[in-house]
Amino acid sequence: RKEVEQDPGPFNVPEGATVAFNCTYSNSASQSFFWYRQDCRKEPKLLMSVYSSGNEDGRFTAQLNRASQYISLLIRDSKLSDSATYLCVASGGYQKVTFGTGTKLQVIP
Amino acid sequence: DTEVTQTPKHLVMGMTNKKSLKCEQHMGHRAMYWYKQKAKKPPELMFVYSYEKLSINESVPSRFSPECPNSSLLNLHLHALQPEDSALYLCASSQDWVFELAGVPLEQYFGPGTRLTVT
Repeated sequence: RKEVEQDPGPFNVPEGATVAFNCTYSNSASQSFFWYRQDCRKEPKLLMSVYSSGNEDGRFTAQLNRASQYISLLIRDSKLSDSATYLCVASGGYQKVTFGTGTKLQVIP
Repeated sequence: DTEVTQTPKHLVMGMTNKKSLKCEQHMGHRAMYWYKQKAKKPPELMFVYSYEKLSINESVPSRFSPECPNSSLLNLHLHALQPEDSALYLCASSQDWVFELAGVPLEQYFGPGTRLTVT
């Protein structure tokens, strides 16, 4: 079983739609969680950290469920510019940083 | 300023060449990382430096040799690479590496990467 798992997609959604991604992690000792976006042939860019209480940044909402060991990302009012691969990350303690396999989002006009 | 710079952007090298990748950050971060990313795959951690000391080596072959000359610089020396080593090499930095020391989520900031082709 992969340490951090994501549905690879692709998710094809129309502009303005709401889309949600989930990510599960297997290491219960993980302490920090993040969402990154990566455009084709570019570096990953930090989208947001994921806090236990959940957090929101504009159209993006991240949630953490420690009991079930999953992280979610909700994107509201999707824009064409949101098309990218979304990577979740689990890390913490003295363990390595682990990236999920990524979920590809394509927003369609 | 959350900028990490990497040089060169592109590198083509033969299997007998020796080359180096360079990474620099001026955010005062104490942890720096090297990742390797193949097409359509997530980044794979190679090395972690914390306070200029190698903290993690993810069983990387010795043909890859990291070096941290100071807290702002990270190099990756390449020698006798194989064609399968062709990939995007990403450098990243974070405030710290160990959550317990930092007390805050350890957000990593990535450089643009070096696209390496081994012929």
